[in-house]
Amino acid sequence: AQSVTQPDIHITVSEGASLELRCNYSYGATPYLFWYVQSPGQGLQLLLKYFSGDTLVQGIKGFEAEFKRSQSSFNLRKPSVHWSDAAEYFCAVGQTNTGNQFYFGTGTSLTVIP
Amino acid sequence: DGGITQSPKYLFRKEGQNVTLSCEQNLNHDAMYWYRQDPGQGLRLIYYSQIVNDFQKGDIAEGYSVSREKKESFPLTVTSAQKNPTAFYLCASSRSGIGNTIYFGEGSWLTVV
Repeated sequence: AQSVTQPDIHITVSEGASLELRCNYSYGATPYLFWYVQSPGQGLQLLLKYFSGDTLVQGIKGFEAEFKRSQSSFNLRKPSVHWSDAAEYFCAVGQTNTGNQFYFGTGTSLTVIP
Repeated sequence: DGGITQSPKYLFRKEGQNVTLSCEQNLNHDAMYWYRQDPGQGLRLIYYSQIVNDFQKGDIAEGYSVSREKKESFPLTVTSAQKNPTAFYLCASSRSGIGNTIYFGEGSWLTVV
């Protein structure tokens, strides 16, 4: 069965420090992978996506993610975190062999301290 | 502007009453979805629809119902049979086919008292 695991429930980083949020997936075919960000009480906003090609993808707000097939991972990174990055982050995998279905991780809550 | 509109943003209902959450999209997407999100938890799929007049149950469909009479609309009814209806509800849509992205509305808070 398809699944997405975000091992870190909550992460705290200092403003200006680097960030890496982990995501592991389980999917038999070529995955389509996404990272979303959610501010409190809001919908999910797409940060970036991987469909094929270059395994390092750039997204909005200075985020990037690297697809590593051998590790079944799609970790999100940012070199220097800003206070406005505090939010909930969700990793997702898209399944396409049986129609459009998407599977989401349980999210990682990011706190940024001054 | 193109997007997904959910209404109302906040809704309060008495226990035992049915309530309908509206979701409208003008993105010309074929597929639409409803997710439920509880505090500190991820997204759980309630129902999805890939085409007008057709929809499928997700992981937690019990106590919910939907309709898809128009491409742009996918309302969700939370019935009195749903035991714990208080939650944040997210509507989403996507194109059909391989490798498409799912986009979300701003969500609706439902509180049952």
